[in-house]
Amino acid sequence: GQQLNQSPQSMFIQEGEDVSMNCTSSSIFNTWLWYKQDPGEGPVLLIALYKAGELTSNGRLTAQFGITRKDSFLNISASIPSDVGIYFCAGSNTGNQFYFGTGTSLTVIP
Amino acid sequence: NAGVTQTPKFQVLKTGQSMTLQCAQDMNHEYMSWYRQDPGMGLRLIHYSVGAGITDQGEVPNGYNVSRSTTEDFPLRLLSAAPSQTSVYFCASSPMGGAYEQYFGPGTRLTVT
Repeated sequence: GQQLNQSPQSMFIQEGEDVSMNCTSSSIFNTWLWYKQDPGEGPVLLIALYKAGELTSNGRLTAQFGITRKDSFLNISASIPSDVGIYFCAGSNTGNQFYFGTGTSLTVIP
Repeated sequence: NAGVTQTPKFQVLKTGQSMTLQCAQDMNHEYMSWYRQDPGMGLRLIHYSVGAGITDQGEVPNGYNVSRSTTEDFPLRLLSAAPSQTSVYFCASSPMGGAYEQYFGPGTRLTVT
């Protein structure tokens, strides 16, 4: 199957700091999604990207669809304790089959 | 709206037993899917459906069967459970294809001994 690598695997940051994470693929995708998963729950969609080079924001979150179409980036500004969780990227070419990354675990220290 | 519901929340099976994981949504979504999530790995697509009567395989379909007789329900069947199927299973639905926002259920934690 497709391999999506997320980095870093985990992050420990102070409240108020900015966060950057990325996702790279061995294949080209035409859709990238970013999800957040809280413990014991299903993932929740944060941002969807549909065009190479696209930059999209959702509150303090900003994501970019890489120009090569093989990568995507997520930034969180001014982190707060409720940002804690696991962040997943997901890519697709068909719109019906999505491949998920291995996740970035974020811990925010108050 | 209840959104996407999954039952049971927890299940323990012995090797060789069969069972059905239930998934239902009340949002009239055409697209539904099943994923499994294993430690250290992302979610992997098992099967998906783009409407009643239409199903297709995802990345890891072996050992699982699905059917979609109604828009609301998308059960996942394990015919002969194996320890390798120990995982957390998530069902999701979307108004159109999966490229649009997928709403995930709370998950079923399955252990096969």
